Amino acid sequence: AQRVTQPEKLLSVFKGAPVELKCNYSYSGSPELFWYVQYSRQRLQLLLRHISRESIKGFTADLNKGETSFHLKKPFAQEEDSAMYYCALRGGATNKLIFGTGTLLAVQP
Amino acid sequence: NAGVTQTPKFRILKIGQSMTLQCTQDMNHNYMYWYRQDPGMGLKLIYYSVGAGITDKGEVPNGYNVSRSTTEDFPLRLELAAPSQTSVYFCASNGGSSGNTIYFGEGSWLTVV
Repeated sequence: AQRVTQPEKLLSVFKGAPVELKCNYSYSGSPELFWYVQYSRQRLQLLLRHISRESIKGFTADLNKGETSFHLKKPFAQEEDSAMYYCALRGGATNKLIFGTGTLLAVQP
Repeated sequence: NAGVTQTPKFRILKIGQSMTLQCTQDMNHNYMYWYRQDPGMGLKLIYYSVGAGITDKGEVPNGYNVSRSTTEDFPLRLELAAPSQTSVYFCASNGGSSGNTIYFGEGSWLTVV
C-alpha cells in the first residue's frame, strides 16, 4: 500500500537554525516524491520534486531509496519559511497524490 | 490565467442539507481531484477523474458524489450534509503541458452545524 509518513506535527526552530522536515514513504514500485507548502490560509503550492533535484527557496530534498525517505532540508531557516509542509507520493497510472499528515514549521525570530 | 477556481470559498450548511462545490480549470488538464483537509490528518483524496466521463473513488468517498461531464468542470456534491463533513476542500488538476505538477484551488471552507 502507498503511504507517506511525516512523524512531526510541529517543528519549531529559531531564525538561522538548520531545518529538517522528515518524510518516509512506503511504495512497492518507483515513486515520485514531492514537497508542497501551504502558507497561512493559502492554496498548496509545489515546493520541489525529487525528479528535478532542484533547490527552491534554499530548500533541498534527496530521495533515499534505501531508507525510503525524502527529508526536506534548509541550512538557515527564515521567518517567512513558517508554513505547513506536506510530503506527497505519486505512483501508478492514475496520477493521484498521496499526502502525509503535514508538518507545521514555525520559525521564531 | 485563472488556473483552478473553486466556489464558494465559505459556506455554512445545516445537517441534512445538500450542496455542490464547484471546481473549474482552464488549463485543459485531464486529471482532476478533490481533497479534504482536516487538522492533523493532512489531505485525503475524496474522488478523482482521469478525463471527461471518468470518475473514481479516492480514500474517503462516503457521503460525496462527483461528475465530470466536461474537461473543465469537476463538481463535488454533498447530498446529506453531516458534521463530519466540516472541513476545507481543495480541488486540484494536472496533465497536459503541466506534466506531473498538480495545481490546487484556493480551497472551500465548509461548516456543517
